[in-house]
Amino acid sequence: KAGVTQTPRYLIKTRGQQVTLSCSPISGHRSVSWYQQTPGQGLQFLFEYFSETQRNKGNFPGRFSGRQFSNSRSEMNVSTLELGDSALYLCASSLAGFSYNEQFFGPGTRLTVL
Amino acid sequence: AQSVTQPDIHITVSEGASLELRCNYSYGATPYLFWYVQSPGQGLQLLLKYFSGDTLVQGIKGFEAEFKRSQSSFNLRKPSVHWSDAAEYFCAVGSNDYKLSFGAGTTVTVRA
Repeated sequence: KAGVTQTPRYLIKTRGQQVTLSCSPISGHRSVSWYQQTPGQGLQFLFEYFSETQRNKGNFPGRFSGRQFSNSRSEMNVSTLELGDSALYLCASSLAGFSYNEQFFGPGTRLTVL
Repeated sequence: AQSVTQPDIHITVSEGASLELRCNYSYGATPYLFWYVQSPGQGLQLLLKYFSGDTLVQGIKGFEAEFKRSQSSFNLRKPSVHWSDAAEYFCAVGSNDYKLSFGAGTTVTVRA
């Protein structure tokens, strides 16, 4: 079974631009979560989607948004990029997103904002 | 709100020696606990999980963890460390609002 895939793996953008990251979950998984990882803040939850519905959102500004498609693939978008948005963005999928469901992580997208 | 504390930021251990990583959690309900490992530039790989039952759980790569409710702890152990165990380790708790809350992580360095 293929794992979680994320594209692109690396991105370089400049301040003020916007970026879209993509995540394909494991086949059969309907929950997709996004996390931001930085050296200073560690792993922080961005949002979670299940059946195209956002069920939870972390404490991030409105510049961070996401969506999920009917095939469970998910995208996240960051508008008006700031230097502090440089991070590793991790996507995770699980069967249903419940607290006891294992979450499987992709390799991440490394975003650098110049 | 749930939270996870990993008191040790960095641990150095000799190859072949034992390893113990500490994790304390705060969660009002029954905790679902996880340990993940991350190698440089990679995503997170699940080592083991605790949901209920036996408080000593076995995971992959020879790791085990013990859940102690009275101490709110879920410490990770390995009897004999290999050089390939050098990585960053994260403890996490799953919550009813569909997210994982992670500790700050412990970086493990293995010396020859």
